[in-house]
Amino acid sequence: AQRVTQPEKLLSVFKGAPVELKCNYSYSGSPELFWYVQYSRQRLQLLLRHISRESIKGFTADLNKGETSFHLKKPFAQEEDSAMYYCALSGLSGGATNKLIFGTGTLLAVQP
Amino acid sequence: NAGVMQNPRHLVRRRGQEARLRCSPMKGHSHVYWYRQLPEEGLKFMVYLQKENIIDESGMPKERFSAEFPKEGPSILRIQQVVRGDSAAYFCASSLQGHSGNTIYFGEGSWLTVV
Repeated sequence: AQRVTQPEKLLSVFKGAPVELKCNYSYSGSPELFWYVQYSRQRLQLLLRHISRESIKGFTADLNKGETSFHLKKPFAQEEDSAMYYCALSGLSGGATNKLIFGTGTLLAVQP
Repeated sequence: NAGVMQNPRHLVRRRGQEARLRCSPMKGHSHVYWYRQLPEEGLKFMVYLQKENIIDESGMPKERFSAEFPKEGPSILRIQQVVRGDSAAYFCASSLQGHSGNTIYFGEGSWLTVV
């Protein structure tokens, strides 16, 4: 079954502390993994995708196929990072559509 | 580019009424997706449409829900005879192409409350 699991509903850290938002997936083919961020009642925005291997706003995520994980990390949290973070996957094989499967999200709260 | 536009942002309906949610994709995008977010849950895929065609409706409830994306005008998600359980945020997204690897852009969502 295709599934994305984000085990933490809420992650609270202090400003300047490291952050790791966990994401595990199950998918029978070759998935593409994404992190989306949603600030307070705004639209979901793509934060990063594993294929591009880029770092956005200091966040990075590495796809670990052995552990089927795609954890999101940032070495020093900022207050403006407080938001809802969603891990998602879509199929990467030829012809697979853009349908995204989302995790339930983790609310990151960065305390001053 | 104004991005994906959804309206109304908030909609209140009484049980048994109809709800219509509209979505205008980003300029040049012909692929539209609808997702539903129930309270305390993640976004769940509902339907994927390309102009005038439903490509994948595997996430649509069997009854009362329908979606269209006409040649002209916005995509419409229609919910007939709404019930309290339909209260949710409905997100529309669009992409330039339909195959995986294309970036999907989301709208700000429409919040439906059924009273």
